[in-house]
Amino acid sequence: GESVGLHLPTLSVQEGDNSIINCAYSNSASDYFIWYKQESGKGPQFIIDIRSNMDKRQGQRVTVLLNKTVKHLSLQIAATQPGDSAVYFCAENRKGGGNKLTFGTGTQLKVEL
Amino acid sequence: DSGVTQTPKHLITATGQRVTLRCSPRSGDLSVYWYQQSLDQGLQFLIQYYNGEERAKGNILERFSAQQFPDLHSELNLSSLELGDSALYFCASSRTVNTEAFFGQGTRLTVV
Repeated sequence: GESVGLHLPTLSVQEGDNSIINCAYSNSASDYFIWYKQESGKGPQFIIDIRSNMDKRQGQRVTVLLNKTVKHLSLQIAATQPGDSAVYFCAENRKGGGNKLTFGTGTQLKVEL
Repeated sequence: DSGVTQTPKHLITATGQRVTLRCSPRSGDLSVYWYQQSLDQGLQFLIQYYNGEERAKGNILERFSAQQFPDLHSELNLSSLELGDSALYFCASSRTVNTEAFFGQGTRLTVV
C-alpha cells in the first residue's frame, strides 16, 4: 500500500551542527517529493522538492537526497539554527495521481542552544 | 506568508451542524487541495481541484464535500459534524498539478 514513513520521530541537535532528517517511502511509482516544515500553529511551509530523475538538489542551507534504489529520502540542514525548530514532513506524489501528496508522520527537530 | 488565504481561522460548532471553510489560492494557481490534520492521523489528503474540476480524491467522508468556483477559490463543506471531525483543515494551492503546493494557515475546527 501507499505509505511514507519517517525513521525518527524526534531529532535533537546543537545549534550550528548539521541536521539530517530521513524518510522512507514505499510507492515505487512516486516521482515527486517535497519537504515541508511546520511550526506550531502554522501551515506546512515548502522547503525544497526533488523529482525522481534527480538524486540531489540543493537550496539555501538545505539539501535533499533521493535514493530510489532503497526508496529513501533525506533532508540535510546545514548550520542548524533555533529557527529551524519545527516538525518536518516529507511528502510524495505518485506519477499520474494529480497532486495527491501523501505525507509522512513528521519528525520533530529540536535545536539546543 | 504563502499567499493562500483561509477563513475562518477558528470555528467552534456543535455536533450535527454544518460548516463551510473557504480558501483563496495564490494568484495564478489553478489547483487547490484540502487536507485534514489531526493529532492521531497526521496530514490526510481530502480532495484536489484543478481549474474547477475535481482531480483527485482521498479518504474524504461522504459528509464532506468541496468545490472550486470559476474565480478559483474553493470551499469545503462539512456536515453532520461529529466530535471526531475536530481538526485543523488546510488548503493548499499550486500553479498546476505535480508542482509544489503552498499551504494556508489553516482553519481550526472544534466540534463540541
